[in-house]
Amino acid sequence: GENVEQHPSTLSVQEGDSAVIKCTYSDSASNYFPWYKQELGKRPQLIIDIRSNVGEKKDQRIAVTLNKTAKHFSLHITETQPEDSAVYFCAAGGTASKLTFGTGTRLQVTL
Amino acid sequence: GAGVSQSPSNKVTEKGKDVELRCDPISGHTALYWYRQSLGQGLEFLIYFQGNSAPDKSGLPSDRFSAERTGGSVSTLTIQRTQQEDSAVYLCASSSSQGGYGYTFGSGTRLTVV
Repeated sequence: GENVEQHPSTLSVQEGDSAVIKCTYSDSASNYFPWYKQELGKRPQLIIDIRSNVGEKKDQRIAVTLNKTAKHFSLHITETQPEDSAVYFCAAGGTASKLTFGTGTRLQVTL
Repeated sequence: GAGVSQSPSNKVTEKGKDVELRCDPISGHTALYWYRQSLGQGLEFLIYFQGNSAPDKSGLPSDRFSAERTGGSVSTLTIQRTQQEDSAVYLCASSSSQGGYGYTFGSGTRLTVV
């Protein structure tokens, strides 16, 4: 089955700096890669996703890149703000019945 | 409904008791998923429903865990003879298609086994 690894497990950045979270996946047949944000005590919420026919996707301060050859994808957050502090999960799916999630990255944006 | 609804939001049970967790998906969503999230951990897949059938039960950790879905809508996850290691947040998600596209999560049930 699919295996998703995510790094780093924790990330601390100063407000205004950029943050990058990286994930690798094992199943070359996976073709859908969403990112979820989970604030403390809340449900995970989809913030951006990318499909394998696209190499990069951007939505305001958030961007995701995908390298299918290397089987890795990354989340980039620019101009970080305190409200970006949360746990971020990457996931892979699209061919199997379900999403396989990474172990999460706790992002802390300090003033 | 407007979102995925889970009940109860919190459940404290004694070790050895059975518990039932309920998920009411978004109306019309045919795919329904159960995940488990232990404190500070990632999202562990438990089971997937397409309609009323469960083509993938590979994540259920033991035969104490079972789930059903009726009418292509509400799903119930049952844990028998609960153990302390079952303590976690149980999250349900639904989607209008297979493959994990467009997951919407519920708020979860926090289960504490004492």
